[in-house]
Amino acid sequence: LAKTTQPISMDSYEGQEVNITCSHNNIATNDYITWYQQFPSQGPRFIIQGYKTKVTNEVASLFIPADRKSSTLSLPRVSLSDTAVYYCLVLKANYGGSQGNLIFGKGTKLSVKP
Amino acid sequence: DGGITQSPKYLFRKEGQNVTLSCEQNLNHDAMYWYRQDPGQGLRLIYYSQIVNDFQKGDIAEGYSVSREKKESFPLTVTSAQKNPTAFYLCASQRTSGNTIYFGEGSWLTVV
Repeated sequence: LAKTTQPISMDSYEGQEVNITCSHNNIATNDYITWYQQFPSQGPRFIIQGYKTKVTNEVASLFIPADRKSSTLSLPRVSLSDTAVYYCLVLKANYGGSQGNLIFGKGTKLSVKP
Repeated sequence: DGGITQSPKYLFRKEGQNVTLSCEQNLNHDAMYWYRQDPGQGLRLIYYSQIVNDFQKGDIAEGYSVSREKKESFPLTVTSAQKNPTAFYLCASQRTSGNTIYFGEGSWLTVV
């Protein structure tokens, strides 16, 4: 499974747009890029997933360039409640099996200030 | 309400005791996982199971055991052989045809 690299921490202010980049140089053809959000003492929560180009939902946008070796999670107009750890993960398209040994890094700790 | 339920949320264990953390899901997912998270760290895989009566070791399986007798349930036992069990434990599941992992709310285990 592809290893991911992302910044350890980021700071922002309320109302700003935040972009968190993740590199995944060894991504395979059938891999999907997935982002999770985790608050202290809670389980990670699925935010968004994409394969290529751009995906947008009510929470975030995900930008994936043509070579798919990196991706950028974009959080529009962050608020204090967006302070959390964000994990980038590469997941296999699943056709009947588990993801096996999924590798989670330390994620990116986003701190939003007033 | 569909989801993954972990219990208890907080558990205290005396040294030398075995404890079991419960994980139940009503999502009809085939695959289930157990992760450990230490403060300020990422998630590390303990065990995972693709189907009933089958499970595989993850990176840090030593000192832990699991069972998968029912599709809905994947309990984790932290044995006395686990030398540093104080941590946050997360259970997750995944449907067979899906490529997304869903997590429970986690359980805190503290050795006293």
